[in-house]
Amino acid sequence: KNQVEQSPQSLIILEGKNCTLQCNYTVSPFSNLRWYKQDTGRGPVSLTIMTFSENTKSNGRYTATLDADTKQSSLHITASQLSDSASYICVVTSLLITGANNLFFGTGTRLTVIP
Amino acid sequence: DGGITQSPKYLFRKEGQNVTLSCEQNLNHDAMYWYRQDPGQGLRLIYYSQIVNDFQKGDIAEGYSVSREKKESFPLTVTSAQKNPTAFYLCASTTPGGWNTIYFGEGSWLTVV
Repeated sequence: KNQVEQSPQSLIILEGKNCTLQCNYTVSPFSNLRWYKQDTGRGPVSLTIMTFSENTKSNGRYTATLDADTKQSSLHITASQLSDSASYICVVTSLLITGANNLFFGTGTRLTVIP
Repeated sequence: DGGITQSPKYLFRKEGQNVTLSCEQNLNHDAMYWYRQDPGQGLRLIYYSQIVNDFQKGDIAEGYSVSREKKESFPLTVTSAQKNPTAFYLCASTTPGGWNTIYFGEGSWLTVV
C-alpha cells in the first residue's frame, strides 16, 4: 500500500533552535519527493523537490535529505524563526500511466516556534 | 502575477444544497486537481484533469462533480450526495510530467449548517 508517514506529529521549539522533521514512504514507483509548508488556512507552498538521485537539497534555512534506498527523507530547519510556525507536509509523487502526477500526502508535522 | 485563485474563501451550505467552488489559474497549466483536507489527515484527491474537456475521479470522488470547459478553470461542485462535506478544499495545478512544481490555491472552507 502506498503510504507516507511523517514524524513527529507536532513539535515545539524555541526561536533560534534547529529541528529535523522525518518522512518515511512506501510509494512505488517513485518519481520524486516534495516538501511543502502550509500555514493554517492557506494553501501549501513548495519548499523543495528531490529525485531519487539527489541526496540533499537546500532552500535557504531549509535542507531536505533523501535516502531512496531506505525510503526516508528529512527536512532540517536551521535557526528557526517565529514565521516557521506552520505544518510541513511531505509529498511523494508517482507517475500514472496517463502521465498525470499521482501525489501521496503525509499528514504533516505541526511546528510551533516560540520566543 | 500568475497564480491560482480559489473562491469563495468561506462558504456555508445548508443540508441538501449543491455548492460550487471556483478555481481559476493563469499559469497556462494543463493539469488541475482538487483535494480535500480534514483535520489530522493528509490531502485526499477528489478529481483531476489533464486537459480541457477531460477529467478523472480521484480517491474520494463520490458526492462531487467537476467540469473543465476552459484550460484556466476547474470548478468543483459539492452535491447533496456528499454526506460529510465540511472540510478545507484545495485546488492545484501543474504542467504534466513528474518534475514540475505543483502550485496550490489558498483554499476554501466549506461548512454545512
